[in-house]
Amino acid sequence: DVKVTQSSRYLVKRTGEKVFLECVQDMDHENMFWYRQDPGLGLRLIYFSYDVKMKEKGDIPEGYSVSREKKERFSLILESASTNQTSMYLCASKRDGNEQFFGPGTRLTVL
Amino acid sequence: EDKVVQSPLSLVVHEGDTVTLNCSYEVTNFRSLLWYKQEKKAPTFLFMLTSSGIEKKSGRLSSILDKKELFSILNITATQTGDSAIYLCAVGIVNTGFQKLVFGTGTRLLVSP
Repeated sequence: DVKVTQSSRYLVKRTGEKVFLECVQDMDHENMFWYRQDPGLGLRLIYFSYDVKMKEKGDIPEGYSVSREKKERFSLILESASTNQTSMYLCASKRDGNEQFFGPGTRLTVL
Repeated sequence: EDKVVQSPLSLVVHEGDTVTLNCSYEVTNFRSLLWYKQEKKAPTFLFMLTSSGIEKKSGRLSSILDKKELFSILNITATQTGDSAIYLCAVGIVNTGFQKLVFGTGTRLLVSP
């Protein structure tokens, strides 16, 4: 079974703080993704990575950056958190094809 | 702009009812259509469809794709309270050389006892 884990289920941060969300997968997948999920908007792609040190912007990259130093780990960074980044963040990974495997999500609240 | 639309947005049914969830799409470079079930945690994969008219089935759930009319349906028969979840439809596309998923907003299903 593919396992995708995320470092925190719930996180509360203050405006302006730097926030790190970590994602780890154990199936040697090349591709990893970060989404945010908001009511009425569905899942929207923030960034993805197709290999170590490689990254591509998704549909809503503004205010975020990512890091992929090892194949199994993909980090999402909020350089200066803002209240409009309060959301559920989902990480996913895949090898070939389109099926993506998701982590349990991190619910981030920015006060 | 690539777009996936699900309907209804939410639905309440009684245990034992049959439900049909809809997903329509307008995308370039279609590759596949996927259904996921999301309870209070990670979305879990249900089906992937690539060919029109071929039904995929798993227990009480089934799904079919119509690539001419650009839609898919997910059927759940004899619903149970454990079917209560958000059902997500996603379309796999190739964009700038990369495979991605475009998601609909989901259908929230509540099955009451």
